[in-house]
Amino acid sequence: DSGVTQTPKHLITATGQRVTLRCSPRSGDLSVYWYQQSLDQGLQFLIQYYNGEERAKGNILERFSAQQFPDLHSELNLSSLELGDSALYFCASAGGIYNEQFFGPGTRLTVL
Amino acid sequence: AQTVTQSQPEMSVQEAETVTLSCTYDTSESNYYLFWYKQPPSRQMILVIRQEAYKQQNATENRFSVNFQKAAKSFSLKISDSQLGDTAMYFCAFMKHLGGANSKLTFGKGITLSVRP
Repeated sequence: DSGVTQTPKHLITATGQRVTLRCSPRSGDLSVYWYQQSLDQGLQFLIQYYNGEERAKGNILERFSAQQFPDLHSELNLSSLELGDSALYFCASAGGIYNEQFFGPGTRLTVL
Repeated sequence: AQTVTQSQPEMSVQEAETVTLSCTYDTSESNYYLFWYKQPPSRQMILVIRQEAYKQQNATENRFSVNFQKAAKSFSLKISDSQLGDTAMYFCAFMKHLGGANSKLTFGKGITLSVRP
């Protein structure tokens, strides 16, 4: 158990819908990263937050947005969903001396 | 931009044998960090080992060790005494800085390792 929690574990929805994925980092970690794992794109960095502020952006679509709240949990919002958004979405948190990233169990999103 | 290449899509090894997984990367940075992550069938991403580019000594973690060749930009993972629980997908990853805006992980495509009983 990495100490990072993600909810829900699985999400099945239809095209055009909007969903919210939630992540709670390890106690004390200020950084949260979101990654997408799909068959064709592999593991890709989406976005990073540090102590409530956006720190870096990767290959994140405009239909996707994220935020980190004062209690440090983070949410990834995916809207106008398309079939190609079906993927495993990971959250990772980091902190401490080595700032290693510890991954949550992921949310499996299926868009039908 | 940094790239990470894992050219072997699959490998198989007999239980108790040793196996080496290859990874090459491309960067213009002189200091950076390299990682191997393991993803078993449960899909959980588990950190296996970390290497700092400024350290000449290769990292080891129990049965796992790396062969880091900075000039060749090569970073291979050796698994000794392979166990059935080592069956997983293994990802090589690059990180420019430990913190800040350049601390994202850039992953290779991964290699599927099967350990045969």
